[in-house]
Amino acid sequence: EIVLTQSPATLSVSPGERATLSCRASQSISTYVAWYQQRPGQAPRLLIYDASNRATAIPARFSGSGSGTDFTLTISSLEPEDFGVYHCQQRSNWPFTFGPGTKVDIK
Amino acid sequence: QVQLEESGPGLAKPSETLSLTCAVSGFSISDGYYWGWIRQPPGKGLVWIGSIFQTGQSFHNPSLESRLTLSIDTSKNHFSLKLASVTAADTAVYYCVRGTDGYNNQGWYFDLWGRGALVTVSS
Repeated sequence: EIVLTQSPATLSVSPGERATLSCRASQSISTYVAWYQQRPGQAPRLLIYDASNRATAIPARFSGSGSGTDFTLTISSLEPEDFGVYHCQQRSNWPFTFGPGTKVDIK
Repeated sequence: QVQLEESGPGLAKPSETLSLTCAVSGFSISDGYYWGWIRQPPGKGLVWIGSIFQTGQSFHNPSLESRLTLSIDTSKNHFSLKLASVTAADTAVYYCVRGTDGYNNQGWYFDLWGRGALVTVSS
């Protein structure tokens, strides 16, 4: 089973600042990674798929990059509604797995 | 607008079977995509449980396979999960999801989610 680790566990950011989140896989997963946002009390929402493609209706301030074992989600300028937990997920190998999440909170 | 909604008992006793159903509206599950389940124990991360296609072909997380049954009813436009012999470790919010490749075909990213159903396993 592929293990995904995310860092940092918590990221404190002020509105308007840039946030950079990391996801690392225990083995190469090509670009088969997605990112999800989960606001408190809500279901996750797909942001990015195949490492760098924005899902439908996702704002351009969200971008993804990476390949192999190292991936990055960047939020260029944080809006108040962007605070929450971000999860990465791989679909390269069975079973599909998620990282433990990075919590983005208000500094 | 496509919507998914979980339903089922919020409480299950240890050793019993947990059952949930996901009703899909705004889209016919006969038209494609994978339909599945993901759970999130309180304060923890997400775990993919399994997915099913319109044909009934299902895909299970090996860690749950021996206890898991997935089914789909295209006439009612819903799909279901049964998890047998539950323990406290199965306490979680259970989400039903649609699986996509991101390009309007079935795949293994999850673009639509239900609101989630909390199931507590306790005597």
